[in-house]
Amino acid sequence: QVQLVQSGAEVKKPGASVKVSCKASGYTFTGYYMHWVRQAPGQGLEWMGRINPNSGGTNYAQKFQGRVTMTRDTSISTAYMELSRLRSDDTAVYYCAREAQPHSGYEDWGQGTLVTVSS
Amino acid sequence: DIQMTQSPSSLSASVGDRVTITCQASQDISNYLNWYQQKPGKAPKLLIYDASNLETGVPSRFSGSGSGTDFTFTISSLQPEDIATYYCQQYDNLPPAFGQGTKLEIK
Repeated sequence: QVQLVQSGAEVKKPGASVKVSCKASGYTFTGYYMHWVRQAPGQGLEWMGRINPNSGGTNYAQKFQGRVTMTRDTSISTAYMELSRLRSDDTAVYYCAREAQPHSGYEDWGQGTLVTVSS
Repeated sequence: DIQMTQSPSSLSASVGDRVTITCQASQDISNYLNWYQQKPGKAPKLLIYDASNLETGVPSRFSGSGSGTDFTFTISSLQPEDIATYYCQQYDNLPPAFGQGTKLEIK
């Protein structure tokens, strides 16, 4: 079965960077886009971007351009999301999610990684 | 970018009630509209994809309809385990956008 297992919670200071990992299993990692979605406490879902694990090509939300970098390591079926110049309003749960079919939403999600930004 | 307007933002209903949530896109998105359920502390779960297709394993009391700009999500008979927040998402083109969410409570 498909599993997406994310790295553990992080506490960072403002201005620092955080790198969250998402290890995939149960399917061909390079065959499906991986997306990153975040959710601030008590708020809705916000799309951050996606990576094509086969080519490494990325698309980022305008809001995060210049601060986010999505990468992957195909040898270990793992996707990464790095967010730099952290601010307090970046405090959120960050999810990876697999796009199983084009346009058809995210069938599989990681368990989420809480990133807390606090001085 | 396409904007999604979801309503209502919260809803209180009784067990057995028919519940309807609507989502409107700022432009034509064909049928590229998905619905998710999220329970507290959990990741979202895909219920409906491409406006009306039920994800495998999802109870048949959940359904979706619509195309173009106007979409509807329905629970035909509300069950206690359906208490959650529901989100629509357009994925006609990038960036995929979510609605603001509808928090469903039991009356």
